[in-house]
Amino acid sequence: AQSVTQLDSQVPVFEEAPVELRCNYSSSVSVYLFWYVQYPNQGLQLLLKYLSGSTLVKGINGFEAEFNKSQTSFHLRKPSVHISDTAEYFCAVSGLYGGSQGNLIFGKGTKLSVKP
Amino acid sequence: ETGVTQTPRHLVMGMTNKKSLKCEQHLGHNAMYWYKQSAKKPLELMFVYNFKEQTENNSVPSRFSPECPNSSHLFLHLHTLQPEDSALYLCASSQVQGAYNEQFFGPGTRLTVL
Repeated sequence: AQSVTQLDSQVPVFEEAPVELRCNYSSSVSVYLFWYVQYPNQGLQLLLKYLSGSTLVKGINGFEAEFNKSQTSFHLRKPSVHISDTAEYFCAVSGLYGGSQGNLIFGKGTKLSVKP
Repeated sequence: ETGVTQTPRHLVMGMTNKKSLKCEQHLGHNAMYWYKQSAKKPLELMFVYNFKEQTENNSVPSRFSPECPNSSHLFLHLHTLQPEDSALYLCASSQVQGAYNEQFFGPGTRLTVL
């Protein structure tokens, strides 16, 4: 079974500052990793995903994440945030093998609040 | 319409009512999902359909009954719900069920059970 921990429930930052949203996972099998964003009153939208290959993954809207297998982490970063990045961000994991293959396991989410 | 649509967007119902949530995807996908999103809790997968066959029922109470008449439509029938069932219900679809397939989400139905 897999689980996901998002260490921060809320992250306030000022506009143009860098931000890191932390995600750790646990799994007994190899995994795929995802970051989704949810803007107010909307569904979830995929930001980026790690399937294989380079551990540094670039996504939409200037976000990137780095897969660290030894630390079982997949932290999301952006060097300079905008007001429009205010949203809730969800980390998710999907196991490659075993039962429930392909099902996403989500963290509790991190609310990013960008202040002017 | 494009993407994944859900109706209604908001629903208020009493505990003795029967109602249905509808999801439609316009992406040509073959897998569809129901999730429950409650405050302070992770998204919970409820049901999965792959090529119209139910492949996952994540220990969901029988007062929730899914229906997938074709690959484009997914329903969630609700009957004698409890106040703790109040949540945002999200529908998603993907090409097929599988770890590498991106899931596309609808905007959700905000359900309030009185």
